[in-house]
Amino acid sequence: AQSVAQPEDQVNVAEGNPLTVKCTYSVSGNPYLFWYVQYPNRGLQFLLKYITGDNLVKGSYGFEAEFNKSQTSFHLKKPSALVSDSALYFCAGYNFNKFYFGSGTKLNVKP
Amino acid sequence: SAVISQKPSRDICQRGTSLTIQCQVDSQVTMMFWYRQQPGQSLTLIATANQGSEATYESGFVIDKFPISRPNLTFSTLTVSNMSPEDSSIYLCSVEWPGLSGNTIYFGEGSWLTVV
Repeated sequence: AQSVAQPEDQVNVAEGNPLTVKCTYSVSGNPYLFWYVQYPNRGLQFLLKYITGDNLVKGSYGFEAEFNKSQTSFHLKKPSALVSDSALYFCAGYNFNKFYFGSGTKLNVKP
Repeated sequence: SAVISQKPSRDICQRGTSLTIQCQVDSQVTMMFWYRQQPGQSLTLIATANQGSEATYESGFVIDKFPISRPNLTFSTLTVSNMSPEDSSIYLCSVEWPGLSGNTIYFGEGSWLTVV
C-alpha cells in the first residue's frame, strides 16, 4: 500500500535553532514528494517539491528538504527557526495520479 | 501557480440542512479535487472532479451525501447534504497545476463548517 508517514506529531524547537520535520514514504516507482504548511485558520500552502535531480530541494520561507532514496525519506529542514514558522506541516507523495498525505506534524517554535 | 477562491470561508450550519461550497480558480484546470480535514487530522480525499464527467468518489464517500458539480474548467461546487455534527470539518478545494518540473497540487483557503 502506498503511504507517507510523519513519525512525530509535534516538534518543539527554540527560535534560531535548526529544525527538522521528518517524513518517510512508501510510494512505488519514482514518486514526486511535497511539503505543505498550514498556518492557523488557513488552507495549505505549497512549500517545495522533489521530482528528480538534486537531492536537496530549496523552497519558500527558507525551507529545504533532502530526498534520500535509500532511507525513503524526505525530511524538511531550516537552518534557523522563526517563531512565525509555527504551523502544521504536511508531507505528501504523488504517483499514478494520486496524492498521499502524511498525518501532519505540528511545529512549535519558542522565543 | 493557481489562485483558488472558496466560498463560504466559514459557516455554522443546522443539523439536517445542506450547504454548497464554491471553488473558483483563476485559470483553466483539468483536475480539481475536494478534500476534508477533520479537526486535528490529515487530509482525506473526497472526490476528483473533472470537467465533462461525473465526479469520482473515494471509498467512504457517496454522491448522495457529497454531490459535486464541475460545469467548466474554472469552477466546481461541493454540497454537504443532510449535515450532522460529524460533518464539522474543513473542506478544501484543490487543483493539479501542470509545470515544467512536474505537476503540483494547490489548495484553496478552505471552508470551515461547524454543524450544530
